[in-house]
Amino acid sequence: GAVVSQHPSWVICKSGTSVKIECRSLDFQATTMFWYRQFPKQSLMLMATSNEGSKATYEQGVEKDKFLINHASLTLSTLTVTSAHPEDSSFYICSARPREAFFGQGTRLTVV
Amino acid sequence: EDQVTQSPEALRLQEGESSSLNCSYTVSGLRGLFWYRQDPGKGPEFLFTLYSAGEEKEKERLKATLTKKESFLHITAPKPEDSATYLCAVQDLSGGYNKLIFGAGTRLAVHP
Repeated sequence: GAVVSQHPSWVICKSGTSVKIECRSLDFQATTMFWYRQFPKQSLMLMATSNEGSKATYEQGVEKDKFLINHASLTLSTLTVTSAHPEDSSFYICSARPREAFFGQGTRLTVV
Repeated sequence: EDQVTQSPEALRLQEGESSSLNCSYTVSGLRGLFWYRQDPGKGPEFLFTLYSAGEEKEKERLKATLTKKESFLHITAPKPEDSATYLCAVQDLSGGYNKLIFGAGTRLAVHP
């Protein structure tokens, strides 16, 4: 069964608006969650690592003010794409430590 | 710098035609090597984890092997339902957060 759940599965938003994506660990506590992005026909790239109760760690080239991460509890991390633009359209996927090998079902974001 | 290279990029097989996918890697210290299957529009589905050279794991028509520099995913007598993108990822011992570094994937198409 699934160990990580994402919501929503897909979302369409207008350019300039913000959208929030949730990642929940099921049946276990996750002190660390990982956010990945996948463009069409490309592989997963780690965007950031979120830690419960502290600031997220962003990979090189990822704008922290654009991709806001909040890990307010041991089972929930959120990724907010602020002032979204069409180039932010992508597939966003999360995983959670200690079961970081298992991924959520992903969220398809389309910015129009 | 950690690197993961998968080959071929794409592979077309006839049903029943066995083949192998390759994943070569460069890491300072391998914690684990992971294989995933990904269907379009879905998150990666965990297949195997290999930890040390010489290790092998099997699941139905799939068998994964590991050496000090590469891993192979052998597909025996594939069926059309095996068509998917297969991703390889490594986890580096030196990384503080145990993040996964992915290869670009191999797109497999099995035709009847």
